[in-house]
Amino acid sequence: GAGVSQSPSNKVTEKGKDVELRCDPISGHTALYWYRQSLGQGLEFLIYFQGNSAPDKSGLPSDRFSAERTGGSVSTLTIQRTQQEDSAVYLCASSPTGSRQYFGPGTRLTVT
Amino acid sequence: AQSVTQLGSHVSVSEGALVLLRCNYSSSVPPYLFWYVQYPNQGLQLLLKYTTGATLVKGINGFEAEFKKSETSFHLTKPSAHMSDAAEYFCAVSVQTGANNLFFGTGTRLTVIP
Repeated sequence: GAGVSQSPSNKVTEKGKDVELRCDPISGHTALYWYRQSLGQGLEFLIYFQGNSAPDKSGLPSDRFSAERTGGSVSTLTIQRTQQEDSAVYLCASSPTGSRQYFGPGTRLTVT
Repeated sequence: AQSVTQLGSHVSVSEGALVLLRCNYSSSVPPYLFWYVQYPNQGLQLLLKYTTGATLVKGINGFEAEFKKSETSFHLTKPSAHMSDAAEYFCAVSVQTGANNLFFGTGTRLTVIP
């Protein structure tokens, strides 16, 4: 079956612009995660959605970052007023329940 | 809190030689442990995981890892390296409750020398 998909695969934006990154999880997976992979910080957890519960936002680095998950499926990660340090690969993962997470291919964000 | 330490950001082995990638974790509660592999320009792929039960875990592509609670380690091994094993390997830990979000190590880049 289809895996986790993310769009766009690459995004180049100017400093100060807002960007939206999309994640389509595997159908039926109730849990959805966003991670960031950057040169300076490695792989870091950003935010977690589980069903209709309030998201766990403990990993978001600043209030410029937000995410939503509509209808318990598709998720959008929004970064407002992008900064150069936001340049990274943003990874989405979904999970049916329990331990294993399935990762998407990521969106490479470059802020110029 | 959970954390992972991977010793050696770069490891080189000869083709056919033993692969050993080290991972130590810190967790205040029983952990789940994972190894992920990332090939160039590709996403993360699960190699193997430990949740409960047998401490020696076998994964894909001939890799295995052993959970040693006394050493807080989860080292990844493969008896004989192939050229196709060249990639970046990430060890990760999560816990059995709550968000189950993964805490990753900084990664080890494996180079296989022909």
